[in-house]
Amino acid sequence: EDQVTQSPEALRLQEGESSSLNCSYTVSGLRGLFWYRQDPGKGPEFLFTLYSAGEEKEKERLKATLTKKESFLHITAPKPEDSATYLCAVQDSGGYQKVTFGIGTKLQVIP
Amino acid sequence: DSGVTQTPKHLITATGQRVTLRCSPRSGDLSVYWYQQSLDQGLQFLIQYYNGEERAKGNILERFSAQQFPDLHSELNLSSLELGDSALYFCASSVYMSTEAFFGQGTRLTVV
Repeated sequence: EDQVTQSPEALRLQEGESSSLNCSYTVSGLRGLFWYRQDPGKGPEFLFTLYSAGEEKEKERLKATLTKKESFLHITAPKPEDSATYLCAVQDSGGYQKVTFGIGTKLQVIP
Repeated sequence: DSGVTQTPKHLITATGQRVTLRCSPRSGDLSVYWYQQSLDQGLQFLIQYYNGEERAKGNILERFSAQQFPDLHSELNLSSLELGDSALYFCASSVYMSTEAFFGQGTRLTVV
């Protein structure tokens, strides 16, 4: 069964204090790994898709990287508006291409 | 705005009742997913449709069913509702089966 584990569960940062979120995954075959951002009471907002080990993608203060067993979401000089829950999901390459989400990391950036 | 529309936004109903949640995908998207999100759990995949056909099933209860219509909108039917069914239900859509999905704002279901 596919599994996604995110750590830490919660993270509190000062504005400008860079850090990384971790997503460890177990999947028989990886079709893609996705990062989403979710604000309270809202639907997840798509951030990145990574397909193969070594791939990196950037968007503003966020950078996602992928290895064969985990992905990192690096947040550089975060601002209060980056506060949200960040979700990681994997899609397997099997016939049904099922998507499995992690519980998420709740990030709070303090001014 | 993701382009995915879910109705209603909020729904309060009694135990034992049946409700229908509706989802209109983004224009051009053929794949629709349904997820359940409870307070203490992450997003739980329920079911996926692609161009009208069921393509994947997750942890969907037998009391729940879904379908995707020829115009590609989808409905999730929840019956014999229990208190534990109270949750946020999200619909998402994507162009194909293996691309990133875009989520609606969700339907908050409260069973009393």
